[in-house]
Amino acid sequence: QVQLKESGPGLVQPSQTLSLTCTVSGFSLTSYHVSWVRQPPGKGLEWMGVIWTGGSTAYNSLLKSRLSISRDTSKSQVFLKMNSLQTEDTATYYCATEPSFAYWGQGTLVTVSS
Amino acid sequence: EIVLTQSPTTMAASPGEKVTITCRASSSVSYMHWFQQKSGTSPKPWIYDTSKLASGVPDRFSGSGSGTSYSLTISSMEAEDAATYYCLQRSSYPRTFGGGTKLELK
Repeated sequence: QVQLKESGPGLVQPSQTLSLTCTVSGFSLTSYHVSWVRQPPGKGLEWMGVIWTGGSTAYNSLLKSRLSISRDTSKSQVFLKMNSLQTEDTATYYCATEPSFAYWGQGTLVTVSS
Repeated sequence: EIVLTQSPTTMAASPGEKVTITCRASSSVSYMHWFQQKSGTSPKPWIYDTSKLASGVPDRFSGSGSGTSYSLTISSMEAEDAATYYCLQRSSYPRTFGGGTKLELK
């Protein structure tokens, strides 16, 4: 069955770089696009970006200058890197399949704090 | 970017009451999609392609709309329906979500 699981550090210091991994199973990254979505505590959902089956990417314009999404198809992993983190980047980060958003990971909470 | 505006932001409904949540888009979209989220869990697909219920969704839920105006309706509120509902447009990039509607049981 299709599964996604996010992993990464729970705590990041301000101005540092966030690195997250989404490990997928039950499908190939050449068959489904994968998006990253985040949700600050008590707030709504924000789409961050996508990596398409062909390996190209698209980003939320508000995050584009700080965000990079890549993948390793052999390891079934999608990577998110975002630099210059601030406290407002504190959120639960999800990966999800595109285009349907039918499958989501459990999410990983990232806290930006010194 | 297509902005989605949900209303109301919060609401409370009694068991058996009819509930309607609306989602308005700043530009026309082909379909609207809805997700249910309960505290501490990932969003769940709830309604896709405007009116199709995701697997396991009770048939008291329905979706409708076109163009820039869409809605999610619960014909008869039940306790398990208390949650936050989000609309999503995937007609274009960037994908955008509505701000959410928190539905509580009265």
